[in-house]
Amino acid sequence: GAVVSQHPSRVICKSGTSVKIECRSLDFQATTMFWYRQFPKQSLMLMATSNEGSKATYEQGVEKDKFLINHASLTLSTLTVTSAHPEDSSFYICSASLTRGHETQYFGPGTRLLVL
Amino acid sequence: TQLLEQSPQFLSIQEGENLTVYCNSSSVFSSLQWYRQEPGEGPVLLVTVVTGGEVKKLKRLTFQFGDARKDSSLHITAAQPGDTGLYLCAGDIRGNQFYFGTGTSLTVIP
Repeated sequence: GAVVSQHPSRVICKSGTSVKIECRSLDFQATTMFWYRQFPKQSLMLMATSNEGSKATYEQGVEKDKFLINHASLTLSTLTVTSAHPEDSSFYICSASLTRGHETQYFGPGTRLLVL
Repeated sequence: TQLLEQSPQFLSIQEGENLTVYCNSSSVFSSLQWYRQEPGEGPVLLVTVVTGGEVKKLKRLTFQFGDARKDSSLHITAAQPGDTGLYLCAGDIRGNQFYFGTGTSLTVIP
C-alpha cells in the first residue's frame, strides 16, 4: 500500500514553455502533499506544502508565481513550472502524507525536467 | 547553512566492510528518519526514531538516535553492493518543520 505516482517521469522542454507535473496517491487519500527539488548528488529541498482545497505554503526563496501548485483533490496535486528556464532543470519529487506532518509521507518516483 | 549535516558526504568501500554515517544538528528533533535513494527514484523510508537514545535494527543496519535528539547514526555491517545509494536523514521539528540532511553517497564495490 501507500503508493505515490508521478507523471511524467521525464520531460524535456524549450525555454519559455510551461511544464505540468502530476503527483497522485494511488491507494490512499493524502491530507498533505509536499513538493521537493533535488540537484544531482545533492539532498532534497522542500519547495512547498499543499493541502487539498487550500493555497500552498511555499518555503522561503521559492517563487510561488514560478512554481504553481494546485491541490484539487485528496489524491492529486500538480506542480506547474511556468516559463521554464535552463536553471529550472532538476529532479522534482513529490510526497503524500496521511497527516499534516511529515512522519507518514510516501515519496513518488520523481520527475526529471530538462529545459533546453 | 544546512540544519542537518551528514558525514561523510561520499563513501566508497569494499564489500564486507562496516561503515557508519552520521547525521548531526544543533536543533532538537521530534523525530528523525533515515531514507535510501537510488538514482532516478524517490527516497524510500528505512526507519523512524522518536525517543532519545533509541536504537533500531533492520537486518544489517543499526540506527541510533542521540540522547538529546540532536543527532543520529546509521551503521551498516558487512556492506553489500545492494547497499549502494544515497542515504538521507530527515528531521521533524515540532511536527511542522521538516528538513533533509545533506546526504551521504555510498558505493559498495564488489
